Amino acid sequence: EIVMTQAPATLSVSPGERATLSCRASQSISTNLAWYQQKPGQAPRLLIYAVSTRATGIPARFSGSGSGTEFTLTISSLQSEDFAVYYCQQYTNWPPYTFGQGTKLDNK
Amino acid sequence: VQLLESGGDLVQPGGSLRLSCTASGFVFSTYGMNWVRQSPGKGLEWVALISYDGSNEDYAASVKGRFTISRDNSKNTLYLQMNGLRAEDTAVYYCAKPRVRGIYYFDYWGQGTLVTVSS
Repeated sequence: EIVMTQAPATLSVSPGERATLSCRASQSISTNLAWYQQKPGQAPRLLIYAVSTRATGIPARFSGSGSGTEFTLTISSLQSEDFAVYYCQQYTNWPPYTFGQGTKLDNK
Repeated sequence: VQLLESGGDLVQPGGSLRLSCTASGFVFSTYGMNWVRQSPGKGLEWVALISYDGSNEDYAASVKGRFTISRDNSKNTLYLQMNGLRAEDTAVYYCAKPRVRGIYYFDYWGQGTLVTVSS
């Protein structure tokens, strides 16, 4: 099973600042990586797939990068609605399709 | 696209429960479908996958042998039969649709249904 590790567990950032979230895979997953945003009481929302492609309707301030085992989600200028928990997920050819444990983005 | 789960409840350890997910807004019979769960205050865990025609299934190790995923394409409905339930199965269960057939990241999720396993 591929283990996904996210860092940090909590990130405190002020509105307008940049946030950088990390995700590491225990083995190479090529570019088979997605990012989700989840707010309390809601289902996850797809933000990015294939490392860097934004899903429909996702603002340009969200960007993804990386390959192999190291990946990054960057939010260039935080808006109030961006404070949430963010998960990465690998989707290589075969299950299980594993998620990271999440990074909570806090308003500083 | 809409995914609507139902069937969550409070059940005793060792008990059984069947979850349903009714889909609309896309051609259900052409997509493999998944269940993903989230324990209270915890992260996301992929649970099971069924192919578009029901001919193939895959499970997380934590539920293999106890849970069975199935589908009825004539009713646009996905199921999860859960037997031998344990306290650690307590979670919100989501059904999730992949954005692209056969590539399993998820662009639509249901609202979730809560399963609580407790005596």
